[in-house]
Amino acid sequence: GQQVMQIPQYQHVQEGEDFTTYCNSSTTLSNIQWYKQRPGGHPVFLIQLVKSGEVKKQKRLTFQFGEAKKNSSLHITATQTTDVGTYFCAGMREYGNKLVFGAGTILRVKS
Amino acid sequence: SQTIHQWPATLVQPVGSPLSLECTVEGTSNPNLYWYRQAAGRGLQLLFYSVGIGQISSEVPQNLSASRPQDRQFILSSKKLLLSDSGFYLCAWSLRRSSGTSGTDNEQFFGPGTRLTVL
Repeated sequence: GQQVMQIPQYQHVQEGEDFTTYCNSSTTLSNIQWYKQRPGGHPVFLIQLVKSGEVKKQKRLTFQFGEAKKNSSLHITATQTTDVGTYFCAGMREYGNKLVFGAGTILRVKS
Repeated sequence: SQTIHQWPATLVQPVGSPLSLECTVEGTSNPNLYWYRQAAGRGLQLLFYSVGIGQISSEVPQNLSASRPQDRQFILSSKKLLLSDSGFYLCAWSLRRSSGTSGTDNEQFFGPGTRLTVL
């Protein structure tokens, strides 16, 4: 079945440093979504990427979708303590009904 | 606006006891509904999803079951809980895709979750 791998599992950075999490799918995706889960909270949608090679930005966050539509990344510039949480990617196959979530990357920020 | 409710928020149950978790959505019609489980510090495991009343797809064989008695109600049940059933249970909804569309999808909106501890 479809698998979505996400690395790293965990990252601890100093406030102000950059952070990147990577997502790879075993199959070509129709789209990929990113979610953020704050400690003790529930996942909240951040963004969806659909087009091959697409790049989207949300303030300090940059999201990329690979040319082959099998990988994606989320990059945070100059992390802040408010960035802490778990970041999940989730991919869907063409004409699929369900998202397959990566295992998530836990981000901790030291101030 | 749409809202999603889950209850209870926390639950402590003995091994072998039954389980019923409820999820309801307001402000939308014909949603896709999902049940996920998240073990402590881990990712989201899709348990069940539903595209309509009475239509349930199971993703993982287990002692859990799901039902959708009404359009915006999704219930997760078990007859006998196991220790391994402990976790954070999340219900989610999304808009139903138009037939014949691909490439785009609708985001999933998660409920606040139920923290289940089986002792």
